[in-house]
Amino acid sequence: GIQVEQSPPDLILQEGANSTLRCNFSDSVNNLQWFHQNPWGQLINLFYIPSGTKQNGRLSATTVATERYSLLYISSSQTTDSGVYFCAVEGAGGTSYGKLTFGQGTILTVHP
Amino acid sequence: DTGVSQDPRHKITKRGQNVTFRCDPISEHNRLYWYRQTLGQGPEFLTYFQNEAQLEKSRLLSDRFSAERPKGSFSTLEIQRTEQGDSAMYLCASSILPVGDEQFFGPGTRLTVL
Repeated sequence: GIQVEQSPPDLILQEGANSTLRCNFSDSVNNLQWFHQNPWGQLINLFYIPSGTKQNGRLSATTVATERYSLLYISSSQTTDSGVYFCAVEGAGGTSYGKLTFGQGTILTVHP
Repeated sequence: DTGVSQDPRHKITKRGQNVTFRCDPISEHNRLYWYRQTLGQGPEFLTYFQNEAQLEKSRLLSDRFSAERPKGSFSTLEIQRTEQGDSAMYLCASSILPVGDEQFFGPGTRLTVL
């Protein structure tokens, strides 16, 4: 099945700093989503972005499907941005078709 | 639109007992998914339904696990003879379209097997 790698695994920032999270995937995708998992375990949808660029407030994301990677940008980070960020993809064929495969996540800690 | 709901939110059980979880998807979402997440890992796919039909089951879903979606609306996930290794967060998600569509997740059911 499709493989998903996220980097870095851990990221520690001071409030106000900018950061970039990366997601590499091994095959063509029908779907790519970025999630933020809060301390209670809820997965919050950040972006649905199988290709192109989107922005939502301080967050933006870019997926270059032909090169099989996606980037999540967080600007002017706040302590409430802390948590685990997951990239998840639905492969375009084979055993990955029709369901999401998640990366291992990036643990973000923002200090005041 | 009330979002995906799951019940219970937490379940503590003794090894060997049976447990059942419920998921209510977003209304009019035809596709319903179950995922499992263990500590420090990303969620892993277990199974999914298109309306009431169960279309695929992961090899993670042993014979002790069974899932149903009897009327194409809510779904249940039952684990028989629970083992300590079943301790995890069980997540439900739904989407409108079967392929390439955005999935929305519920709050999860955290299972602890003593």
